[in-house]
Amino acid sequence: AQSVTQPDIHITVSEGASLELRCNYSYGATPYLFWYVQSPGQGLQLLLKYFSGDTLVQGIKGFEAEFKRSQSSFNLRKPSVHWSDAAEYFCAVSGGYQKVTFGTGTKLQVIP
Amino acid sequence: DAGVIQSPRHEVTEMGQEVTLRCKPISGHNSLFWYRQTMMRGLELLIYFNNNVPIDDSGMPEDRFSAKMPNASFSTLKIQPSEPRDSAVYFCASSRQLAGYYEQYFGPGTRLTVT
Repeated sequence: AQSVTQPDIHITVSEGASLELRCNYSYGATPYLFWYVQSPGQGLQLLLKYFSGDTLVQGIKGFEAEFKRSQSSFNLRKPSVHWSDAAEYFCAVSGGYQKVTFGTGTKLQVIP
Repeated sequence: DAGVIQSPRHEVTEMGQEVTLRCKPISGHNSLFWYRQTMMRGLELLIYFNNNVPIDDSGMPEDRFSAKMPNASFSTLKIQPSEPRDSAVYFCASSRQLAGYYEQYFGPGTRLTVT
């Protein structure tokens, strides 16, 4: 069965600092991978997705993620965090015609 | 496009009452998903439909929960009778197809409080 692990429940970074959110997945074949963001009181919004090809994926709001098959990871990065990036971030995995499995989320706090 | 529409946005009800949550998916999307989000359990998939047919309801917590999709543009999630432990935010999401590479588009959610 597919699964996703987000080891960091809560992360605090200073505005302007770089950010990396960790995601590890378990799936037997090539997965489809996603990062979603949830602002307070809102639904989830897709940041980026990986299907195949270039392992470095660019998304909206200046985010990027890198797929590393050898490490079963799909970490999300941003070079310079803005206060508006404070939200909860969810990594998700699916394969073929299977349902999407979401991780437990990482809450990002941005301090001035 | 209007996005996924959910109603009501907030619902407060007393234990034992029937609650109906509504969802209108994005036009042209064939798959619809109902999720529940709580602090304790995170985001849980309750049930999903493809072409209006329920595909997997293994996430529905118990018989008090039921979901229907009578047509491509409308779905309901019903709780009868409701209990305080059903308090959560319920999200509806839709995608173009059931295939895993299609991202899901989420509605704003319905915050349910059962007293």
